[in-house]
Amino acid sequence: DTGVSQNPRHKITKRGQNVTFRCDPISEHNRLYWYRQTLGQGPEFLTYFQNEAQLEKSRLLSDRFSAERPKGSFSTLEIQRTEQGDSAMYLCASSEFAGSNEQFFGPGTRLTVL
Amino acid sequence: GQQLNQSPQSMFIQEGEDVSMNCTSSSIFNTWLWYKQDPGEGPVLLIALYKAGELTSNGRLTAQFGITRKDSFLNISASIPSDVGIYFCAGQLRGSGGSNYKLTFGKGTLLTVNP
Repeated sequence: DTGVSQNPRHKITKRGQNVTFRCDPISEHNRLYWYRQTLGQGPEFLTYFQNEAQLEKSRLLSDRFSAERPKGSFSTLEIQRTEQGDSAMYLCASSEFAGSNEQFFGPGTRLTVL
Repeated sequence: GQQLNQSPQSMFIQEGEDVSMNCTSSSIFNTWLWYKQDPGEGPVLLIALYKAGELTSNGRLTAQFGITRKDSFLNISASIPSDVGIYFCAGQLRGSGGSNYKLTFGKGTLLTVNP
C-alpha cells in the first residue's frame, strides 16, 4: 500500500501526559499537512510543511503542539500536557509540490484524553 | 476556524435514488474538492474541480464548480448501499504563499441509503 500511513491508529492517554503521532506521506509528495477533526465537524487545518520547512501554523496550534518533518519525509506531531479538549481525530495528508496539489489523507490517529 | 456551509446536514434515501448536496462560501476559492469519509477512517478524495463552471464526473458522481467560485455541487446518481458515509466539500485558494494550500472544509452531509 503506497498511501499515507499514520501511527498509532488509536491513543488513549491521561490528562497531562505527552503524546506523539507519526505520519508517513506518499513517497513522492513534498507537501505534508496536519488537520484535526472533532465529532460532527469537518477537518480543520493545523499546519503544513513543504519538504522540511514548516510554512504555516494555524491559530488552533497552541504552544503545547509541535510538529516536525526533519528530513522532509515522515512527520511527527507532539502534544504536550494533554487536555481533554485535545481529544479528536488527527489527520495527516500529503500532496505533490507541483501539479494539481490534490491532498490525500491517511486513516488518522484517534486521540482520547481521559 | 472558518468552515463552509454544507447542506443538507443529513439525507436518508432509498437505494436507486439520486442525491444532490451543495456547499457555499462567503469567500472565493479556486479549487473545490469533494471527499467521502467512512467511520474511523480518513477522508477519501472523490472529485477535484479547478475552473469556475467546470463540470466533472467520476462514475456515478458528478460535481460542479459554481460560476461565482463561492459554491460547488455534488450529485450521486442511482445510489447504492456502499454510498453510505459522510461527504465533505473542501475549498482551496491555490497560489503562492503557504496559506494558500490549506483546505477549508464543510461540516459534511451524512448519507444513509436504505437497501
